Amino acid sequence: GNSVTQMEGPVTLSEEAFLTINCTYTATGYPSLFWYVQYPGEGLQLLLKATKADDKGSNKGFEATYRKETTSFHLEKGSVQVSDSAVYFCALSDLESNSGYALNFGKGTSLLVTP
Amino acid sequence: DVKVTQSSRYLVKRTGEKVFLECVQDMDHENMFWYRQDPGLGLRLIYFSYDVKMKEKGDIPEGYSVSREKKERFSLILESASTNQTSMYLCASSLSGQPNTEAFFGQGTRLTVV
Repeated sequence: GNSVTQMEGPVTLSEEAFLTINCTYTATGYPSLFWYVQYPGEGLQLLLKATKADDKGSNKGFEATYRKETTSFHLEKGSVQVSDSAVYFCALSDLESNSGYALNFGKGTSLLVTP
Repeated sequence: DVKVTQSSRYLVKRTGEKVFLECVQDMDHENMFWYRQDPGLGLRLIYFSYDVKMKEKGDIPEGYSVSREKKERFSLILESASTNQTSMYLCASSLSGQPNTEAFFGQGTRLTVV
């Protein structure tokens, strides 16, 4: 079946540091890939997405590239801010699977950025 | 502004009670989902629905049922609440038709079963 594996947290960084959160996936079909973010006390919101190989999703300074050869979708940001402190979830949807449009999530990575 | 609204932010229920969690979306989305979120486990899919009166089991449906009588409303039902159902419950909705369709989430309901 489909699954998403992302790096364990928590990740603690100083402001302006470079961020990488690793995400790899397994899928029976050809999935779409997503990063969602959950700020404290809030629901999840979409950060970025990519539909096909070599697509790059980007938003708010975050980027991730769909790498089919390595089945990865790593999240990066060149200079993090305190306001980026949140939990980040990698996810996939695979219309060829039984769950179709439903998102299959990784376990989440907690990021804390200190001043 | 698009919105998914869950009826309660916090609930405390007793073991054995029947519990209803309500979710309403105002975006005319066909797809609706219920997840539970637990520390170290991420989000796990309980049930989903692609149309009125339609429901499909997700990865962890045991102990739960759902109801979708209207397109905008998707209810999660705990037939007899147990302490291991203490969790954060998240409702989401999305459009059909595109493989990269974005899911919109509600704020979540933190349920405690005592």
